[in-house]
Amino acid sequence: GAVVSQHPSRVICKSGTSVKIECRSLDFQATTMFWYRQFPKKSLMLMATSNEGSKATYEQGVEKDKFLINHASLTLSTLTVTSAHPEDSSFYICSARAPYGYTFGSGTRLTVV
Amino acid sequence: DQQVKQNSPSLSVQEGRISILNCDYTNSMFDYFLWYKKYPAEGPTFLISISSIKDKNEDGRFTVFLNKSAKHLSLHIVPSQPGDSAVYFCAASVSNSGYALNFGKGTSLLVTP
Repeated sequence: GAVVSQHPSRVICKSGTSVKIECRSLDFQATTMFWYRQFPKKSLMLMATSNEGSKATYEQGVEKDKFLINHASLTLSTLTVTSAHPEDSSFYICSARAPYGYTFGSGTRLTVV
Repeated sequence: DQQVKQNSPSLSVQEGRISILNCDYTNSMFDYFLWYKKYPAEGPTFLISISSIKDKNEDGRFTVFLNKSAKHLSLHIVPSQPGDSAVYFCAASVSNSGYALNFGKGTSLLVTP
């Protein structure tokens, strides 16, 4: 079935540094990918919609200069958390619309120290 | 503004019995609904979906019921098994066309032997 590979699964970084998270669709082309963030005891909150070859669409309240999204090919979307701070620590998940439904990456646990 | 609501944060059921997880939504434009199962530190796994033209969809032990007039859907798991213990997310979308998913906060199901 359709698979989205997300890396890294865990990352610890220092405050002020940047972290890049990758999501690849392995056996299908993903024109659109979605980036979600999950806070403890909260639902998965949509951060942005990533469209291949064009600018991402960000949800209200999400800083586009902080969460840089690049969707340069039909199989790869990246989320870069720039100048990370401890409050950015969270679980980030990508999703893509596959031929037979939505499929999710395995998630990235980001800890900023 | 939470458009998809799961008002029960947790549910405990005995093995072999029926688990019923509930979900309500407020956006009448939603016409495609999904249930996902999620283990800690992993991405959500698709369980079952239903479109608004149907009121029931069944797949093995999982059945989803949709009541459009009440803007309510439920997931029935029968018989429940210990391996079903996880967090279950209800999600909704405006048509099955690549639109982003709106998630509820999840219900943590514990199936006890």
